[in-house]
Amino acid sequence: DAGVIQSPRHEVTEMGQEVTLRCKPISGHDYLFWYRQTMMRGLELLIYFNNNVPIDDSGMPEDRFSAKMPNASFSTLKIQPSEPRDSAVYFCASSSYGTAKTDEQFFGPGTRLTVL
Amino acid sequence: GDSVTQMEGPVTLSEEAFLTINCTYTATGYPSLFWYVQYPGEGLQLLLKATKADDKGSNKGFEATYRKETTSFHLEKGSVQVSDSVVYFCALPDSWGKLQFGAGTQVVVTP
Repeated sequence: DAGVIQSPRHEVTEMGQEVTLRCKPISGHDYLFWYRQTMMRGLELLIYFNNNVPIDDSGMPEDRFSAKMPNASFSTLKIQPSEPRDSAVYFCASSSYGTAKTDEQFFGPGTRLTVL
Repeated sequence: GDSVTQMEGPVTLSEEAFLTINCTYTATGYPSLFWYVQYPGEGLQLLLKATKADDKGSNKGFEATYRKETTSFHLEKGSVQVSDSVVYFCALPDSWGKLQFGAGTQVVVTP
């Protein structure tokens, strides 16, 4: 298995631009999580999906952030417009808690976002 | 709500020393407990887990015992190496499958 795949690995953009981060979860997993990691705030859960449906988006910082999961093999996290304070590493993770009851989460390598 | 508290870092020690990272939890019921590691530039990886009280998880020389009487899941390794210099996270899942992570503890092992 290829594991969780994220793209791009690095993104540098200017303030005000739209940024789209992509994630392909492990096949068969029914949960998908988006996290943000910074030195100041540590690891924060932004949103998670179960069977492609958003369950809890209370961690999404503001309306500039949105996430979608159009099918079981793909999810996006979009920031529009981006701001310098959005600079962070964004991780996607997946798990099969709902079916196999193995509640371990598998993380992707992350996308390092820099907003200038 | 469910939560974990782990000791702050950085923890600095010499090669071959004994490592302990404390983790305590608050939870409804008896969830699984996890230790994850994060290597520089990578996502978190599961190091070990325990699924019920008194279970001991172990991997790569690390051990942690699920103790419900003290609500703890301390991570230990008898003889650390320089390659163990990473960040360690304690975590527990809630009933919805969401993981609650501790703040992370950076370990620095010097030769």
